[in-house]
Amino acid sequence: SQKIEQNSEALNIQEGKTATLTCNYTNYSPAYLQWYRQDPGRGPVFLLLIRENEKEKRKERLKVTFDTTLKQSLFHITASQPADSATYLCALGGGGNKLTFGTGTQLKVEL
Amino acid sequence: EAEVAQSPRYKITEKSQAVAFWCDPISGHATLYWYRQILGQGPELLVQFQDESVVDDSQLPKDRFSAERLKGVDSTLKIQPAELGDSAMYLCASSPRAGGGAPADTQYFGPGTRLTVL
Repeated sequence: SQKIEQNSEALNIQEGKTATLTCNYTNYSPAYLQWYRQDPGRGPVFLLLIRENEKEKRKERLKVTFDTTLKQSLFHITASQPADSATYLCALGGGGNKLTFGTGTQLKVEL
Repeated sequence: EAEVAQSPRYKITEKSQAVAFWCDPISGHATLYWYRQILGQGPELLVQFQDESVVDDSQLPKDRFSAERLKGVDSTLKIQPAELGDSAMYLCASSPRAGGGAPADTQYFGPGTRLTVL
């Protein structure tokens, strides 16, 4: 069966450092992969999309890589700030714009 | 900036009662999604509409859940009767029509309805 794995334990890093979050999947061939941010009690907010034929995407302090051989995506936040503290969800996209979400990783950026 | 609207934001009900949630997607968005998110997990798709038609309801527990989008705009999700295990956040999302300029595969989420079943 399809499985999406994200670090279940919270990631704690110091302000200014680069945060790296991992998304691994099995039994899936997604056409694209997306990353969302979710704050407590709020709906997810779209951050980045990367397609299966792309290796890397950047947006301001965010960078996403996608390795379809390893079945893995890495999500990087450079120069992290306390305001970046949230849960980050990866989602695999298939036909009909259907998304399958991972469980999310909680990021805490400390002063 | 346009947003997806949902109401109510919070709902407390007793088991065996009926509950209904409402969603108004971003104007012009053709696709509407209802998700359920249990605490500590990612959102799980319940039903997907393209305009007024259901395109995927394979994960919708049809014995107690129903969803409609009669005019292809706003939508209602109903649970009857509610069970203790239905306690969760119910999220609505929408995405633009394909070929309309904006990416159709990006979903915009509302704030959600937090349901507690006692």
